[in-house]
Amino acid sequence: QQQVRQSPQSLTVWEGETAILNCSYEDSTFDYFPWYWQFPRESPALLIAIRPVSNKKEDGRFTIFFNKREKKLSLHITDSQPGDSATYFCAASGPGNTGKLIFGLGTTLQVQP
Amino acid sequence: GPKVLQIPSHQIIDMGQMVTLNCDPVSNHLYFYWYKQILGQQMEFLVNFYNGKVMEKSKLFKDQFSVERPDGSYFTLKIQPTALEDSAVYFCASSLEGSDYTFGSGTRLLVI
Repeated sequence: QQQVRQSPQSLTVWEGETAILNCSYEDSTFDYFPWYWQFPRESPALLIAIRPVSNKKEDGRFTIFFNKREKKLSLHITDSQPGDSATYFCAASGPGNTGKLIFGLGTTLQVQP
Repeated sequence: GPKVLQIPSHQIIDMGQMVTLNCDPVSNHLYFYWYKQILGQQMEFLVNFYNGKVMEKSKLFKDQFSVERPDGSYFTLKIQPTALEDSAVYFCASSLEGSDYTFGSGTRLLVI
């Protein structure tokens, strides 16, 4: 059973549009939700992260919206650029400070110029 | 920024042989991890390591797998013996406080 689910599996938007990537989770004890992006043949890199004390986290064109009650979050990328084309992974970890991350299957975003 | 180095970047090995994947984590980081990613799929947690000990391991971390970091040197993942299903990209990561990871660039392992 997938503990972290992402949708859609793939997404294509035009340059300048807003891309919305969705994520949901099962375990209500999860307390840290980072998003990683991964370009082909490269390692994943931390993009932005949120903890449940907030329902929104913004960093430039990237914003996480978090709904604790529904156990859902979404990543909004405004003014999408071709350079944003990558696979985006939602991840989650729980208390205990071991740092173990559970990753979703990813959303592959293609931004068309 | 600080980097996690993984050596080698690629490895082809005969089934049944032993392989050691090496990771040089960020120097002041305290938590170390191995993840396995099969082409086009999610990254799956294998093991984490702190203060010289395995903290947690997944069911993917078979008996043939072992990790160590002798005397603060490389953090290694050893597979002995290897199986065909071990073919994947193995990512090492490190973190200071057990949250924000720095990932290495991965070792692409092919078992034939």
